[in-house]
Amino acid sequence: SAVISQKPSRDICQRGTSLTIQCQVDSQVTMMFWYRQQPGQSLTLIATANQGSEATYESGFVIDKFPISRPNLTFSTLTVSNMSPEDSSIYLCSVDNWANGYEQYFGPGTRLTVT
Amino acid sequence: AQKVTQAQTEISVVEKEDVTLDCVYETRDTTYYLFWYKQPPSGELVFLIRRNSFDEQNEISGRYSWNFQKSTSSFNFTITASQVVDSAVYFCALSASGGSYIPTFGRGTSLIVHP
Repeated sequence: SAVISQKPSRDICQRGTSLTIQCQVDSQVTMMFWYRQQPGQSLTLIATANQGSEATYESGFVIDKFPISRPNLTFSTLTVSNMSPEDSSIYLCSVDNWANGYEQYFGPGTRLTVT
Repeated sequence: AQKVTQAQTEISVVEKEDVTLDCVYETRDTTYYLFWYKQPPSGELVFLIRRNSFDEQNEISGRYSWNFQKSTSSFNFTITASQVVDSAVYFCALSASGGSYIPTFGRGTSLIVHP
């Protein structure tokens, strides 16, 4: 299994500002995933990030709002731009293991509150 | 398209009771994987089990057991003799070849175990 860390673990931000969330994996992985979990809700995939290429965004999510970087095989960042209270969520980074039936391993999450 | 339905939003039991969490899935693919994850109040998602579509054998792990039935497209999870530490949100997920093995999550079932 992979060990994933995220920074920050939580933050309280002002409306209109941006926050960059970092995700570090302890092994090289091809694909990294970013999810959003709004309060009391399930996980919603924001985008899939492959190293060396543009992230692939799911319907309802755009690059201008959620720019993603993937500079190498162990690291990715997600920026939440021009935040509003509706962006208050847990943001989760994950990787999958195709050798293990595409089992997903998740980071501890970043709890974001926008005031 | 793939879909996961967890009809039970919240279940409340008293310690030592048995409880079953339901999961019904939809997919047109013949090759797919089913998962259960636990999300305790700390927020981190913990992998519990993976099942592939060709293996309908039920599994028991301690107090946990899983019943996979392709005939009813269900993958139910039973906790025997529940404990307070089992209190969490439980997510069922499906990943299939048609969806590039990116998982679709159910809405989650919140389990509250009272002492």
